[in-house]
Amino acid sequence: DAKTTQPTSMDCAEGRAANLPCNHSTISGNEYVYWYRQIHSQGPQYIIHGLKNNETNEMASLIITEDRKSSTLILPHATLRDTAVYYCIVTTGIAGNMLTFGGGTRLMVKP
Amino acid sequence: DAGVIQSPRHEVTEMGQEVTLRCKPISGHDYLFWYRQTMMRGLELLIYFNNNVPIDDSGMPEDRFSAKMPNASFSTLKIQPSEPRDSAVYFCASSLSGLRLVEKLFFGSGTQLSVL
Repeated sequence: DAKTTQPTSMDCAEGRAANLPCNHSTISGNEYVYWYRQIHSQGPQYIIHGLKNNETNEMASLIITEDRKSSTLILPHATLRDTAVYYCIVTTGIAGNMLTFGGGTRLMVKP
Repeated sequence: DAGVIQSPRHEVTEMGQEVTLRCKPISGHDYLFWYRQTMMRGLELLIYFNNNVPIDDSGMPEDRFSAKMPNASFSTLKIQPSEPRDSAVYFCASSLSGLRLVEKLFFGSGTQLSVL
């Protein structure tokens, strides 16, 4: 699986958009970009995933660059409950590659 | 559905004792995964099952660890004998596959294991 690089931590003001970047310059053509988050003392929670097109669901939007070497997870209106560690994972999605979660980005939403 | 259910939520034991962690996946899911999370190594995949059959246990750290899935609604992860370095949070996750892809993993709340 392709390696990902994320900032260690970010802050965001409550009510503002949180934009979390992820670099995956060695991504292969059959690999997806997945995002999960882990709120303190809970198991990771699936957020969104995509292959090459931008995706949106009730939780977030995923913007993938045209060359697929980087992506951005957007939380449009961050709340205090969005404070968590966000993991960007690149994988084929086949079960055996699911997954090793790296360090992630610790997002702190502040009032 | 109640989600993935793990028990116990917390386990404190002494070195050398046997530890059994339990997991009930979401009904209908055909994949089950066991993960371990530590500060040093992050979240690591230990083993996963497909339709109750162990597929890949290459992440199991050593022979002291074993996992079983006797039926579609129950799995155990056993450590015998336990050691202090096994202290971690153990997560179980399940998923429904489509076209061999695992789109979403649903995680349980984890078991916090402390081996003294």
